[in-house]
Amino acid sequence: DVKVTQSSRYLVKRTGEKVFLECVQDMDHENMFWYRQDPGLGLRLIYFSYDVKMKEKGDIPEGYSVSREKKERFSLILESASTNQTSMYLCASRDGMNTEAFFGQGTRLTVV
Amino acid sequence: QQQVKQSPQSLIVQKGGISIINCAYENTAFDYFPWYQQFPGKGPALLIAIRPDVSEKKEGRFTISFNKSAKQFSLHIMDSQPGDSATYFCAALSGGSYIPTFGRGTSLIVHP
Repeated sequence: DVKVTQSSRYLVKRTGEKVFLECVQDMDHENMFWYRQDPGLGLRLIYFSYDVKMKEKGDIPEGYSVSREKKERFSLILESASTNQTSMYLCASRDGMNTEAFFGQGTRLTVV
Repeated sequence: QQQVKQSPQSLIVQKGGISIINCAYENTAFDYFPWYQQFPGKGPALLIAIRPDVSEKKEGRFTISFNKSAKQFSLHIMDSQPGDSATYFCAALSGGSYIPTFGRGTSLIVHP
């Protein structure tokens, strides 16, 4: 089974802190994604990566950056956390030849 | 701009009833339409998917109906069970990028 693991289930951070959300997949997938999930807004794409060190902005990249130094790991960085970034963050990965995306269990981030 | 419109936002069904969730899209380049199921505290997982060369796909109690001319597709859950209570997301992808565009989700509650 494909496994996408997010490092934290719950995080509470203070406004202005730099926050790192980590995601690791174990299936050698080329593509990795970060989504944000908010009630009534569904899943919105923040960033995606189709190869090591390659990244593309999604629909809502403002206030976020990403890092992919190794194929299996994709990190989401909040440079200076703000309260409007309180949300559920979902990481996903996908094989380049396939269509199904596999999701992690999510990280619920609260910024106070 | 919302590329995939999903309705209803929430749905309450009695056990044994039929649950119907609808999605509509505008981009005619979309050629793969998956549905994801998300239980509380979990990431979304692929439930069933369809390509536009067929009008219907059935897997157990779950059926996707696809209307290419109307650019609409729907998920039908027959004999709905309390264990089906979850959030359902439709999505659409186009060849080449295969980055899923998600609907806003439907919260389904099946009462015993």
